Amino acid sequence: KAGVTQTPRYLIKTRGQQVTLSCSPISGHRSVSWYQQTPGQGLQFLFEYFSETQRNKGNFPGRFSGRQFSNSRSEMNVSTLELGDSALYLCASSWGQGPIYGYTFGSGTRLTVV
Amino acid sequence: SQQGEEDPQALSIQEGENATMNCSYKTSINNLQWYRQNSGRGLVHLILIRSNEREKHSGRLRVTLDTSKKSSSLLITASRAADTASYFCATDARFYGSSNTGKLIFGQGTTLQVKP
Repeated sequence: KAGVTQTPRYLIKTRGQQVTLSCSPISGHRSVSWYQQTPGQGLQFLFEYFSETQRNKGNFPGRFSGRQFSNSRSEMNVSTLELGDSALYLCASSWGQGPIYGYTFGSGTRLTVV
Repeated sequence: SQQGEEDPQALSIQEGENATMNCSYKTSINNLQWYRQNSGRGLVHLILIRSNEREKHSGRLRVTLDTSKKSSSLLITASRAADTASYFCATDARFYGSSNTGKLIFGQGTTLQVKP
């Protein structure tokens, strides 16, 4: 079956612009989480959606937002980009709500802010 | 902030040798997972061990979990050049009805180099 698909793979934006990243989870998976990976901070949780509802949010400024559609596809948006937002953004999907399921990650979107 | 630490930060071994990575964490968990990442790409789920399990095997992988010490180890036996990657442990503190749903907390990772 198809894996988690993230688009685009690479993105270059200018400071002050906004960007939207997309994630299509594995068919049947209803949970989608987003992570930011940087050399300095490592992997940090952004937010998680389940059945179109945001269930949890990490410690990121309000410039970072997301949403999930009825088909479980998710988007995250970063407004007023800063140089420090340059990172690999990873999306992960999971089937269930319980604590026994692992996550399947996409290949990520590499965002460079110049 | 990260949940815990991984040790060592970097490991270089010869093909055929075993590689052991350790992970420590801070809070109570439901499960602990190990992931592999090849050079800036996505994470690949390797193995999940639940908090009531002490050891788990999957192919050449062996994971142990000691909840009293809040630590886990990943052993890769008979390593291959293709095992060269970064390895991350991640804890899942989800409890039914808790606010930590869907949130994995990652360690900083161990970079493994396997020389042919």
